[in-house]
Amino acid sequence: ETGVTQTPRHLVMGMTNKKSLKCEQHLGHNAMYWYKQSAKKPLELMFVYNFKEQTENNSVPSRFSPECPNSSHLFLHLHTLQPEDSALYLCASSQDTGKGTQYFGPGTRLLVL
Amino acid sequence: AQSVSQHNHHVILSEAASLELGCNYSYGGTVNLFWYVQYPGQHLQLLLKYFSEDPLVKGIKGFEAEFIKSKFSFNLRKPSVQWSDTAEYFCAVKSSGNTGKLIFGQGTTLQVKP
Repeated sequence: ETGVTQTPRHLVMGMTNKKSLKCEQHLGHNAMYWYKQSAKKPLELMFVYNFKEQTENNSVPSRFSPECPNSSHLFLHLHTLQPEDSALYLCASSQDTGKGTQYFGPGTRLLVL
Repeated sequence: AQSVSQHNHHVILSEAASLELGCNYSYGGTVNLFWYVQYPGQHLQLLLKYFSEDPLVKGIKGFEAEFIKSKFSFNLRKPSVQWSDTAEYFCAVKSSGNTGKLIFGQGTTLQVKP
């Protein structure tokens, strides 16, 4: 299934590095999401974009900076992360933020050293 | 605040056994409910969803779930599990508003022994 793709699939970075995660959806959807999946914790919603506008920031630290240049692409820019930020970062998309079902990408496994 | 509770963290069953995974949520208004599955090495996939139609919802691979509003529950069931059902199962709830905010439970790991 290639509806929602994410790159890279794995990323190792130091605490002083700057990196970006990329998400692309091929479903014609208008809403896109970033989630964080940590071990033994529920998936946590981070950001929501609807028609390229950010509609939700779930109290995410500023070292995570999202960008949505168009409805098909979503980025998560990472800067001066902490080891506790190591997790699986999932992107999802839906038709809109109302009733649409969210479809998930495979995730980026991030390790911060 | 909305929350979702999955009672079983780890379930081990033999093939052909029946499955029921519990899910309760806390939200007083109208909700949409989902079960997602994550097979080993694969991404989250939608198993089934409830969008205020028939409270008994049928999904893929023989799964079904029943929405019981009075109990704030949306339990997942399958009459006879297979080894290929080994996966992690997540219950999620979304309020009927326009925020898109999906709240997940902590997940249940199902291990089916052949």
